[in-house]
Amino acid sequence: NAGVTQTPKFQVLKTGQSMTLQCAQDMNHNSMYWYRQDPGMGLRLIYYSASEGTTDKGEVPNGYNVSRLNKREFSLRLESAAPSQTSVYFCASSKGTGGQISEAFFGQGTRLTVV
Amino acid sequence: AQSVTQLDSHVSVSEGTPVLLRCNYSSSYSPSLFWYVQHPNKGLQLLLKYTSAATLVKGINGFEAEFKKSETSFHLTKPSAHMSDAAEYFCVVRPGSARQLTFGSGTQLTVLP
Repeated sequence: NAGVTQTPKFQVLKTGQSMTLQCAQDMNHNSMYWYRQDPGMGLRLIYYSASEGTTDKGEVPNGYNVSRLNKREFSLRLESAAPSQTSVYFCASSKGTGGQISEAFFGQGTRLTVV
Repeated sequence: AQSVTQLDSHVSVSEGTPVLLRCNYSSSYSPSLFWYVQHPNKGLQLLLKYTSAATLVKGINGFEAEFKKSETSFHLTKPSAHMSDAAEYFCVVRPGSARQLTFGSGTQLTVLP
């Protein structure tokens, strides 16, 4: 059982380049999330999707776009990468929405460096 | 608004001694609380979760946490540290029916031989 799979694992971009981070889950979860992790700041929510066809901004959405392609897949796009977007990105999914209590399951992360 | 504060950014213990990682939360609604662990260059793994069924929650690898509403705390403990426990630990809150998780800034646990 693969769980949450992210690609790529590592990426180096030049300032101004664009790229898409891919995420897929095979647990039939409704909700999916994108977080970024920076030293000393924990994980901060970029965007989330409570269910297929819906997306909402999180704490730090500027400079990013997302697409919930179907129930399994949730991609994160950087249209014009900036050095401030150098970070480790985590995709996660959880079973419930709304009032249902559910922990999140995380992918292995994508380490992105923007030079 | 909800927030979570991990009171120590770094904790060092000797192997075989107890571990205490402290977490306080604030939430307007009855929260769900979680502890996650992250080993170097790895993803996050759920250690345990509090879902209002019992105030003392047991997790994997001998860890447990106690929910204290009066103190708004959810501290993580383990009676005897092992070298493999060295990692970063995150306290996480989901307030009421919120859809997203809010993470603390993390506590780096070092286990000394």
